[in-house]
Amino acid sequence: EIVLTQFPATLSLSPGERATLSCRAGQSVSNYLAWYQQKPGQAPRLLIYDASNRATGIPARFSGSGSGTDFTLTISSLEPEDFAVYYCQQRSNGITFGQGTRLEIK
Amino acid sequence: QVQVVQSGAEVKKPGSSVKVSCKASGGTFSSFTINWVRQAPGQGLEWMGRMMPVVRTINYAQNFQGRVTLSADESTSTAYMELNSLRSDDTAVYYCTRGVRGLFLWGQGTLVTVSS
Repeated sequence: EIVLTQFPATLSLSPGERATLSCRAGQSVSNYLAWYQQKPGQAPRLLIYDASNRATGIPARFSGSGSGTDFTLTISSLEPEDFAVYYCQQRSNGITFGQGTRLEIK
Repeated sequence: QVQVVQSGAEVKKPGSSVKVSCKASGGTFSSFTINWVRQAPGQGLEWMGRMMPVVRTINYAQNFQGRVTLSADESTSTAYMELNSLRSDDTAVYYCTRGVRGLFLWGQGTLVTVSS
């Protein structure tokens, strides 16, 4: 099983600031990495697939980068609705998720 | 409209089984990849397995091997997840979700509560 480690566990920022979330894989997953946003009481929402491709309808302020074992999700300028939990997920070998990063309002 | 709709909440006794359904619409069912993901209260996401009808392939996560069975009825475009030998720590919201490169379409979730 490929372990994904996300950091930080919690990120406290203000609206308008830039958010950088990280995800590290225990072994290479090539570019087979996705990012999701989840708000309380809702199903996760796909943001990014194959490391850097925005899903349909996702605003341009969300971007993904990385390959191999190190990946980053960047939110260029936080909007109030962006405060949520974010998960990374690999599909190189089965599927596993990271433990999540909670993005909270400072 | 492309969507997946799941069956309603369940309350089960320890040791029993639960079967959750997921009806998919908007496309050719046999071409879908249906994944099952669960989320215990206050916890993260855990992948359980996936079904790819077009290639007649089912993969199970190691943690659920032998305890979960995925199936489908193509005539009704419905996928099923059955989990056996339920324990209290199986209490969770169970999601079916479509996608390969990314899980782009999620059901509303089915809360399964295991309690004596």
